[in-house]
Amino acid sequence: DTGVSQDPRHKITKRGQNVTFRCDPISEHNRLYWYRQTLGQGPEFLTYFQNEAQLEKSRLLSDRFSAERPKGSFSTLEIQRTEQGDSAMYLCASSPPPETTNYGYTFGSGTRLTVV
Amino acid sequence: AQKVTQAQTEISVVEKEDVTLDCVYETRDTTYYLFWYKQPPSGELVFLIRRNSFDEQNEISGRYSWNFQKSTSSFNFTITASQVVDSAVYFCALSAPHRKYIFGTGTRLKVLA
Repeated sequence: DTGVSQDPRHKITKRGQNVTFRCDPISEHNRLYWYRQTLGQGPEFLTYFQNEAQLEKSRLLSDRFSAERPKGSFSTLEIQRTEQGDSAMYLCASSPPPETTNYGYTFGSGTRLTVV
Repeated sequence: AQKVTQAQTEISVVEKEDVTLDCVYETRDTTYYLFWYKQPPSGELVFLIRRNSFDEQNEISGRYSWNFQKSTSSFNFTITASQVVDSAVYFCALSAPHRKYIFGTGTRLKVLA
């Protein structure tokens, strides 16, 4: 078990371009979350999957954002027509059902997006 | 609505001092979970503890201890004999069962040698 992996670690893109990030959760975790963190702030929830089903989306997730988790394994987060305000750290986390564990999410190292 | 407040933006202590990080939460749920995470300069959020709302026992793990008080809606975190390696941003978080985490804005701890 290598933990939660995110790729790439860093991404610099020009405004208006599309970007896609990937998250590989811990294999036995059926829940996967995406969060966004800007400088000096705590992580903010974006969306959540249980297996392949996307169960909740934040109002922060505009129409330019889409996330998928085909087959309930890895997940991708795509941002279309990036804007400078999208610059942030995008964090992925996974967990088993909370009633089966006394732990919290396991977070990946994040993808830092810079839109220039 | 759920809310987590970490009023201390930044704390600086000298190594070996004890330090307490405050966390106050708001929720209407009767069952909920509270968490502390550490975010070192490398950026990865590291899980420290989860506390269930029905378990008010305080917990100690090495130099770390947590004080959960439902009466004041607080879940404070104390580091005893702080070390330089404790320097990081610490986040408190709250969730209802099967719901997302709500994070506070974090407290940056600087431990000076």
